[in-house]
Amino acid sequence: AQKITQTQPGMFVQEKEAVTLDCTYDTSDPSYGLFWYKQPSSGEMIFLIYQGSYDQQNATEGRYSLNFQKARKSANLVISASQLGDSAMYFCAMRESRGGADGLTFGKGTHLIIQP
Amino acid sequence: KAGVTQTPRYLIKTRGQQVTLSCSPISGHRSVSWYQQTPGQGLQFLFEYFSETQRNKGNFPGRFSGRQFSNSRSEMNVSTLELGDSALYLCASSADGREGAKNIQYFGAGTRLSVL
Repeated sequence: AQKITQTQPGMFVQEKEAVTLDCTYDTSDPSYGLFWYKQPSSGEMIFLIYQGSYDQQNATEGRYSLNFQKARKSANLVISASQLGDSAMYFCAMRESRGGADGLTFGKGTHLIIQP
Repeated sequence: KAGVTQTPRYLIKTRGQQVTLSCSPISGHRSVSWYQQTPGQGLQFLFEYFSETQRNKGNFPGRFSGRQFSNSRSEMNVSTLELGDSALYLCASSADGREGAKNIQYFGAGTRLSVL
């Protein structure tokens, strides 16, 4: 079974609109971390935001916020006021504390295209 | 502070050959992880090194090996290359030496390996 599911293979969004990228996860480990990475066409994976399973508040980093719904096992990334430079692949990832032997587990990604 | 540096950026090899990829982590980071990214399988964890010791290993054959030096630089070796080894190989470093959920990994731009 997939541990990280990203149901949107691709998205087209108008510049300056807000974007929500979906991510659901599956784990029985009570301690885990959730991450979002951006991968432009150059290939480099850029860390965006982190949410810990015990964190009470949703994480925010500038224009990025993480909508963490623990009961639903959902960790959606919200990008406010999208920009052309936001066009890229976006990956949701998880690392389990107990099962850290597997490193980061990634979803299949969402290809986001921002249109002018 | 310089980011994670991977060399070379591109490689072309033929089946049966071997290849060595190099990764220099962010200064002060002691943990280095390697990932393979392919269109079919997505991002998969290869292994993690910390203080010159392999701490974790993904589900890859023994042809994939790695090592870490005393300055935290890491190399990854693939022997007897197969066509299916064509991929983007990403290296990531992290400052937090503890295993566990919050271990933010910062990635390099990757080495794109083509096996002919």
